[in-house]
Amino acid sequence: EDQVTQSPEALRLQEGESSSLNCSYTVSGLRGLFWYRQDPGKGPEFLFTLYSAGEEKEKERLKATLTKKESFLHITAPKPEDSATYLCAAANFGNEKLTFGTGTRLTIIP
Amino acid sequence: DSGVTQTPKHLITATGQRVTLRCSPRSGDLSVYWYQQSLDQGLQFLIQYYNGEERAKGNILERFSAQQFPDLHSELNLSSLELGDSALYFCASTSGPGNTIYFGEGSWLTVV
Repeated sequence: EDQVTQSPEALRLQEGESSSLNCSYTVSGLRGLFWYRQDPGKGPEFLFTLYSAGEEKEKERLKATLTKKESFLHITAPKPEDSATYLCAAANFGNEKLTFGTGTRLTIIP
Repeated sequence: DSGVTQTPKHLITATGQRVTLRCSPRSGDLSVYWYQQSLDQGLQFLIQYYNGEERAKGNILERFSAQQFPDLHSELNLSSLELGDSALYFCASTSGPGNTIYFGEGSWLTVV
């Protein structure tokens, strides 16, 4: 069974303090690794898809990377508006559903 | 705006009742998913439809059912509701396998 584990569960950073969120996955044949951002009471907002080990994608202060066992979401010089829960999800070639981790709740303190 | 539309946004109902949640996928997307998110829980996959046919089933209770209509909108029916069914229910859609799955804003269900 596919498994996705995210760490840490919660992270508090000062504004401008860079850090990384971890997503480790066990998937039989990874089709894609997805990152979403979710604000309280809202739907997950798509950020990135990574398809193969070594791939990297960037968007503003966020950069996602992928290895054969895990993915990282690097946040550089974060701002308070980056506060949210960041979700990682994996899809395998056997089916089309996403298996989600439980997320990292990120708080950026001004 | 993801392009996925869900109604109603909020719903309060009593135990034992039945409700229907509705989802309109993004234009052109044939595949629809339903997920449940309870307090302090991750997103749990319930069911997927592709062009009207059930494609995959997850942790969906027998009291719950879904369908996708010829115009591609989908409905999730929840019956004999219990307090534990209170959650955010998300619909998502995609144009095909491996492509980005876009989520709606969810339907908040509170069972009292």
